Amino acid sequence: DQQVKQNSPSLSVQEGRISILNCDYTNSMFDYFLWYKKYPAEGPTFLISISSIKDKNEDGRFTVFLNKSAKHLSLHIVPSQPGDSAVYFCAAIPVRGANTLFFGTGTRLTVIP
Amino acid sequence: KAGVTQTPRYLIKTRGQQVTLSCSPISGHRSVSWYQQTPGQGLQFLFEYFSETQRNKGNFPGRFSGRQFSNSRSEMNVSTLELGDSALYLCASSPTPSTGGGTEAFFGQGTRLTVV
Repeated sequence: DQQVKQNSPSLSVQEGRISILNCDYTNSMFDYFLWYKKYPAEGPTFLISISSIKDKNEDGRFTVFLNKSAKHLSLHIVPSQPGDSAVYFCAAIPVRGANTLFFGTGTRLTVIP
Repeated sequence: KAGVTQTPRYLIKTRGQQVTLSCSPISGHRSVSWYQQTPGQGLQFLFEYFSETQRNKGNFPGRFSGRQFSNSRSEMNVSTLELGDSALYLCASSPTPSTGGGTEAFFGQGTRLTVV
C-alpha cells in the first residue's frame, strides 16, 4: 500500500522556467515531509523539508508547499537549471515515529538547456 | 566530516546464498536506517536501529535482518537470496531519533546487489 504517491513519473522543463513536482499522501498521521534528489548510482540527497504546522518553506531556488487538508505537497524550483535534472523523491515521517521515511515512487525531472 | 559509508558498492550473489552489507554512519549519528530501492517498488523502508536496538521494521520477510554495533556501525543480512532481492540497498544515518519533529536522513551511496 503506497502511502506516499508521486503520480508523475517524469517532467520536462525548459531552463529558466519553473519546475513543479507534486506529491500526495494518504496517512493523516504524517507530520513531517522531505524532498530528496537522487542521481543514478548515488544515495538520495536531502533538499528541503516542511513540518505540518507550516504551509510553506523556502530555501534559495527551492520552495515546498504543504496543503494538509488536501494531503498534498509540492516542490517548486525557480529558475530551473540543467544541473537540477535528477529523480526527486518526496518522503514523509509519521508522528511519534522513528527515523522511518515513507517514500514516493519518484519523479524524473529533465531540465532542457 | 565523512559521510555515510556503505560497503561493498557492488555485489553479485547466487540464489540461495546469503549476503551481509555494511554501513558506517556519520560520526556522532546514532540512528541508522536501511532502505531497498527497486525499479518497481521505489524506496522501501527495511528497518531502523538506534543504540543497538531495532526500533522499527518495515514489511519485509524474516530473511532480512540487521544489527547495530556499539560504535553505531550497522550490518544487514539477507539469507536464502531470491532473484527479487536484486536491488540497491541504501543506508541512512540521522543525528537523533525523531520525536515527531523530524530530522533529515543522510544517505550513503548504496550497495548494488545482483542475485543471479
